[in-house]
Amino acid sequence: SQTIHQWPATLVQPVGSPLSLECTVEGTSNPNLYWYRQAAGRGLQLLFYSVGIGQISSEVPQNLSASRPQDRQFILSSKKLLLSDSGFYLCAWSHRGTSVSDTQYFGPGTRLTVL
Amino acid sequence: AQSVTQPDIHITVSEGASLELRCNYSYGATPYLFWYVQSPGQGLQLLLKYFSGDTLVQGIKGFEAEFKRSQSSFNLRKPSVHWSDAAEYFCAVGAPSGGFKTIFGAGTRLFVKA
Repeated sequence: SQTIHQWPATLVQPVGSPLSLECTVEGTSNPNLYWYRQAAGRGLQLLFYSVGIGQISSEVPQNLSASRPQDRQFILSSKKLLLSDSGFYLCAWSHRGTSVSDTQYFGPGTRLTVL
Repeated sequence: AQSVTQPDIHITVSEGASLELRCNYSYGATPYLFWYVQSPGQGLQLLLKYFSGDTLVQGIKGFEAEFKRSQSSFNLRKPSVHWSDAAEYFCAVGAPSGGFKTIFGAGTRLFVKA
């Protein structure tokens, strides 16, 4: 069966510090991968998605970036965090070859607090 | 532009009572439609989805949803709510092709009272 991991689960960072969140998927090959942000009391905002290694599409201009160095690894980064980057970050995957809006399977999330 | 609206920010129901969570979408053709559930501090879990065919869709945990094209709605229902159903519920719309990504509604928080 497929599993998706995210770490860390919780992170508290000062403004201006760098960020690296990692997501890995097991049990499937060539998945589509996604990063979402969920702000308090709001829905999910798609930040990035990837349909293959090195292929990243950005949905929202911001100071975040994403990379996919391996088939089942998706990394969310920032060089300098802003207060507005606080939120709950969710990684998700879907089956390759399907629409990027097909069923998605979510990780447990990372709670980021920027102080 | 495509959009999803969940009119109710939060709903409170008594345990054992029936539940209906509303979802309206805007899309030019027949979309993919989803309901996901999120427990506090957790990721989202798929409850059910509609791609085509029978407009009444059965999901996990006793949930069902009905696609009504004329009303652009995909409301989620459960005949008898359990305390463990307390969570946040998200409706989402996707598209069968093209670069259209899934759009999620703002969510409805369900509270269950004893």
